[in-house]
Amino acid sequence: QVQLQESGPGLVKASETLSLTCDVSGYSISSGFYWGWIRQPPGKGLEWIGNIYHSGTTYYNPSLKSRVTISVDTYRNQFSLNLRSVTAADAAVYFCARSRYFDWLASGHMDVWGRGTTVTVSS
Amino acid sequence: EIVLTQSPGTLSLSPGERATLSCRASQTISGSYLAWYQQKPGQAPRLLIYAVSSRATGIPDRFSGSGSGTDFTLTISRLDPEDFAVYFCQQYGSLSTFGQGTRLEI
Repeated sequence: QVQLQESGPGLVKASETLSLTCDVSGYSISSGFYWGWIRQPPGKGLEWIGNIYHSGTTYYNPSLKSRVTISVDTYRNQFSLNLRSVTAADAAVYFCARSRYFDWLASGHMDVWGRGTTVTVSS
Repeated sequence: EIVLTQSPGTLSLSPGERATLSCRASQTISGSYLAWYQQKPGQAPRLLIYAVSSRATGIPDRFSGSGSGTDFTLTISRLDPEDFAVYFCQQYGSLSTFGQGTRLEI
């Protein structure tokens, strides 16, 4: 059974970098699929942040692209999110998820999700 | 960016009734690249439908999806008490975006 688990600091200071990791179990990242991040501010909808393929190819939401880096570590079977220069608007529950891979698309439908981790931004 | 607009914002129905949720795109979604998710409080979203009308593994057949171009629909034929939740559509034909959600309440 494929499982994803997010980890990282629950509190980040404004202007600093938010760093989260998603550990994947039950499936090898190198076997395919996109691996990505989605966030959900309190009481609001979902926002796609970006995806990575095991080759290192990345796709990002244009509204976040200048501040986001997603990386993959196939040996540890995990992938990570760095979001720079955070503000209060970046406070959210951050989910990692597996997406179906299409070589002509940046994302697919998301069939496996982590439980999410809450990130608060302090001033 | 493709903007998805879901309607209604809130839908109030009773168990046993039929639910029809709408998702409208700001431009044509190519290749039927549209999915639906269900989210309950404190939980991650769960994939219900992908490629407009294909049910994900383990999803009951009372859930169905339809549509094309810019207009898509999720139908729940007979509401079960466990179906009351928030529903999101997602397009993945051009990067990826989500709709703002429809809350289905009793």
